Amino acid sequence: GQNIDQPTEMTATEGAIVQINCTYQTSGFNGLFWYQQHAGEAPTFLSYNVLDGLEEKGRFSSFLSRSKGYSYLLLKELQMKDSASYLCAPRSGNTPLVFGKGTRLSVIA
Amino acid sequence: AAGVIQSPRHLIKEKRETATLKCYPIPRHDTVYWYQQGPGQDPQFLISFYEKMQSDKGSIPDRFSAQQFSDYHSELNMSSLELGDSALYFCASSSTRRTDTQYFGPGTRLTVL
Repeated sequence: GQNIDQPTEMTATEGAIVQINCTYQTSGFNGLFWYQQHAGEAPTFLSYNVLDGLEEKGRFSSFLSRSKGYSYLLLKELQMKDSASYLCAPRSGNTPLVFGKGTRLSVIA
Repeated sequence: AAGVIQSPRHLIKEKRETATLKCYPIPRHDTVYWYQQGPGQDPQFLISFYEKMQSDKGSIPDRFSAQQFSDYHSELNMSSLELGDSALYFCASSSTRRTDTQYFGPGTRLTVL
C-alpha cells in the first residue's frame, strides 16, 4: 500500500512563491508525478521525478528525495489561474497511480 | 496534439439503469486507466488495460465491467446504478514505451437520480 501526505489547503498571494510538500511511503518506488486539477476538470500532468534533485519547468519546479520519501512542487510568480488542486502521486512499480488527497491552492490578489 | 477523448461528457441516469462510458486513448498509447472522482474526493483508480488485457484492478464495484477493444478504445459498463455512483469518471492513457505518464481525458460527469 501507499501512504501519501499533503497539506489540505494553502493560500498564497499573486506574484509570490509557494511550495507544496508531499511525503510518501511506498514499496517499489518508481517515480513521483505531480498533477494540477482545476475544479470539475481533468488532472493535468505537471512533472515526473524519478531521480533525486530538482526538475525545473518554467514557473513550476519539482524536487524529489527518495531516501526521505519527500517531494515538493514549487510554483513561482503565482497567477490567479494557478488556483487549483495539486495532486502528488508516487508510483509503485508499474501499478496505476494512486493519488494523495491533493492540496487545494488559493491564489489571492 | 491529440488528447484522450471521452464520451459522453455528461450523462443523467435513473437508479437501477445502466450506463456505458467510452474512452479513446491518445494514438499509439497502449494502456488505458479508469478513475472515479466523487465530489471533493481524489481520483480513485478503478481498472486498467494494457494491450487489450486487464492489467490492474482497483476499487471497481462488481456492478461495473470494462474492456479494451482491438482499436484500443475502452468502455466502462455500469449496471444497477446507485445514487452513490454519481461522480466524474476519468479515463487516462499512457505508453509503456515512454515515461508511462498518464494523460487524462476531460471526463464524463455521471448523475444518477
